[in-house]
Amino acid sequence: TQLLEQSPQFLSIQEGENLTVYCNSSSVFSSLQWYRQEPGEGPVLLVTVVTGGEVKKLKRLTFQFGDARKDSSLHITAAQPGDTGLYLCAGAQGGNKLVFGAGTILRVKS
Amino acid sequence: DTAVSQTPKYLVTQMGNDKSIKCEQNLGHDTMYWYKQDSKKFLKIMFSYNNKELIINETVPNRFSPKSPDKAHLNLHINSLELGDSAVYFCASSQALPRGNQPQHFGDGTRLSIL
Repeated sequence: TQLLEQSPQFLSIQEGENLTVYCNSSSVFSSLQWYRQEPGEGPVLLVTVVTGGEVKKLKRLTFQFGDARKDSSLHITAAQPGDTGLYLCAGAQGGNKLVFGAGTILRVKS
Repeated sequence: DTAVSQTPKYLVTQMGNDKSIKCEQNLGHDTMYWYKQDSKKFLKIMFSYNNKELIINETVPNRFSPKSPDKAHLNLHINSLELGDSAVYFCASSQALPRGNQPQHFGDGTRLSIL
């Protein structure tokens, strides 16, 4: 059983569609980060959310941290092929480490 | 300039051999990590060092021995390689320990394949 559950595991959509990826836990996190990983490369940080209920926008990407700081979502508007990749959420519990979810593999077809 | 660089990028070797992976960061960060990413893309912390001091050892077999000669370098030596060690190993760094919202900067990974 993983501390952070991500859903869906795989998502294949057409260019221009909207999508939402979820990151859920029964534990509270002091902060939560979202990373994107492309094939052959390491994960790259997209955003960090810290406050319960916080919403952050990064161009067509909208990130939300749940009010209870146990879950988060990533919404992509009008997806593009360049959005293709593995999306990872990671939570900090104050134990000097990040715990990663298993990731969502997104494929955007043109 | 590559921020976190690890070598080699690919490592193919026989079971039972000993191998090392090197990592260097030029970001001036205090904390470095080794992660293992399995075939299902699950990324799991193995070790973290803060200013050359071991902070986290996540029940990794003692065949794995990290070494930090200075805070810009964190190497990983693996003895008696086993089939189950096949994975992608990522080095990462952050300015400080991830108590709050410290972003982590990852290298491009070392793909280890055990024959």
